[in-house]
Amino acid sequence: EAGVAQSPRYKIIEKRQSVAFWCNPISGHATLYWYQQILGQGPKLLIQFQNNGVVDDSQLPKDRFSAERLKGVDSTLKIQPAKLEDSAVYLCASSLWDGNYGYTFGSGTRLTVV
Amino acid sequence: DAKTTQPNSMESNEEEPVHLPCNHSTISGTDYIHWYRQLPSQGPEYVIHGLTSNVNNRMASLAIAEDRKSSTLILHRATLRDAAVYYCILRDPGNTGKLIFGQGTTLQVKP
Repeated sequence: EAGVAQSPRYKIIEKRQSVAFWCNPISGHATLYWYQQILGQGPKLLIQFQNNGVVDDSQLPKDRFSAERLKGVDSTLKIQPAKLEDSAVYLCASSLWDGNYGYTFGSGTRLTVV
Repeated sequence: DAKTTQPNSMESNEEEPVHLPCNHSTISGTDYIHWYRQLPSQGPEYVIHGLTSNVNNRMASLAIAEDRKSSTLILHRATLRDAAVYYCILRDPGNTGKLIFGQGTTLQVKP
């Protein structure tokens, strides 16, 4: 089975610019997650979707971050405007409805804000 | 969310067994114990999970203490490819059932 696809793999932007990341989950996986992983730390959940509805976005900095999952399949995560502290790897994961049989993660997008 | 405690780092020799400990003294009755690992420059990868009984799969074994306050991930024969950060996570399948990652244990495997 194909894995979770993410693009781009790397991105370098200047502070105050905007950036968008794309994720295509495993076919049939209803639940999709975005995580932020700062160097040396474990991944931090930003937002969780079930189909195209948001289940949990309590850790998403909504003044600058936004995410959508149109039609319950692909998802995009946007940052506008970016800050230096947003430099991190952004990981997308998907699972069956309740996630009880594991999440499948993509390889992530490494963002550097200069 | 209940928390887990893991050693920051461990070392192992290639082809020897590795026992990765995890303490979770505040675990609730509905929390499952999940293990994920993250190889360099990759996203985390599911390893194994369990509730009360010991579990085995092709990657590893999970030994859960009778009181469920601790667990151990067992890699039966470590290879160089097993060098990674291993995360022990408690997950309540109810509500949103989200995975909350801690710092994990960095495993080094020496040839």
